[in-house]
Amino acid sequence: ETGVTQSPTHLIKTRGQQVTLRCSSQSGHNTVSWYQQALGQGPQFIFQYYREEENGRGNFPPRFSGLQFPNYSSELNVNALELDDSALYLCASSRGGGALPTHFGPGTRLTVT
Amino acid sequence: GNSVTQMEGPVTLSEEAFLTINCTYTATGYPSLFWYVQYPGEGLQLLLKATKADDKGSNKGFEATYRKETTSFHLEKGSVQVSDSAVYFCALPLIQGAQKLVFGQGTRLTINP
Repeated sequence: ETGVTQSPTHLIKTRGQQVTLRCSSQSGHNTVSWYQQALGQGPQFIFQYYREEENGRGNFPPRFSGLQFPNYSSELNVNALELDDSALYLCASSRGGGALPTHFGPGTRLTVT
Repeated sequence: GNSVTQMEGPVTLSEEAFLTINCTYTATGYPSLFWYVQYPGEGLQLLLKATKADDKGSNKGFEATYRKETTSFHLEKGSVQVSDSAVYFCALPLIQGAQKLVFGQGTRLTINP
């Protein structure tokens, strides 16, 4: 059974650019949640996708958007990058829209300069 | 929404020492409570949970008891090992009944041989 995988591992972008981060959910899991973890802080909930529909959103602006595909993998897109977007972005998968995320991916480290 | 305050780190202990990491929460009702662990280079994993008052969650020698009187969920282990070195996060649902989580800022634990 494969775990949650994320790509890329890290990347560097310039302020104002756009970025796409990817997540493959654990086998059998149909729900993907995204979190932002700033340095030295706990993860903050961005949004969740269940069966290809957004299923809840945290306090993040609309320039943070996402997609979930029929195979339950997911993308996080961030437009008009700001310096404060520099963080570790974590993806978690679970089974069912109300299920607790038990395993997270290793994350994508985004640096905005 | 709900919130959590976690003991600040870093914490450094010798092998076989007793560990306590404090966690207190503010919440509506009596939500489930969780501890996650992030080992170096890995994603977060659910370590243990408690779903109602006075419940004790346990796993890998770690324990935490849901104390509604003190709104606390402190993590304890009687004898830590070098392999326990990691970052520990206390968490609870963002709002009652939701599986979107709010995390504490994390406590980095280092165990020296």
